[in-house]
Amino acid sequence: DAGVIQSPRHEVTEMGQEVTLRCKPISGHNSLFWYRQTMMRGLELLIYFNNNVPIDDSGMPEDRFSAKMPNASFSTLKIQPSEPRDSAVYFCASSLGGGRTDTQYFGPGTRLTVL
Amino acid sequence: DAKTTQPPSMDCAEGRAANLPCNHSTISGNEYVYWYRQIHSQGPQYIIHGLKNNETNEMASLIITEDRKSSTLILPHATLRDTAVYYCIVRAFYNNNDMRFGAGTRLTVKP
Repeated sequence: DAGVIQSPRHEVTEMGQEVTLRCKPISGHNSLFWYRQTMMRGLELLIYFNNNVPIDDSGMPEDRFSAKMPNASFSTLKIQPSEPRDSAVYFCASSLGGGRTDTQYFGPGTRLTVL
Repeated sequence: DAKTTQPPSMDCAEGRAANLPCNHSTISGNEYVYWYRQIHSQGPQYIIHGLKNNETNEMASLIITEDRKSSTLILPHATLRDTAVYYCIVRAFYNNNDMRFGAGTRLTVKP
């Protein structure tokens, strides 16, 4: 069974450029999460989708960040324009959704460096 | 703010049991205890979760005190590949987006 797939695994870009991170959740999972991890702030939830609908985006740092989930098997996190402080590892996670003990499974992450 | 307190680091000899403690003194009756780990540069990996009974799976055992204010994750025979940061998280029923990862415990398994 394939786990959560993220691409690219590494991204290096220059300040001001648009960056798009991609995620394919585990087949059959209805919930999808985007996290960001930095040394200073640890692992933070950015946004949470359920059945392709954004449920909680309170963690999205600012308007430069946007996320979409056009269908059950694909999501994107876009940063436009990117800034050096956006450098971090971005993780996508998915879960079945619903139920008392819904377990999240994480992808390998995308390491973003903004110069 | 994370709802849990963990020691920042621990060492364990290879082949011995690793016992990782976690305090969650403000846990509510509707909150589960979850454990994840993160091996360097990888995504967090689910280990185990529990409510009030002890739990065991192929990876680890979870011991939760009777008052539920603390728990211990046990890796029965630690290997070098178990070196990782271990996160203890409490999460309410049905509150899927309330996974607050604190600083965790950095476990180093030594030969």
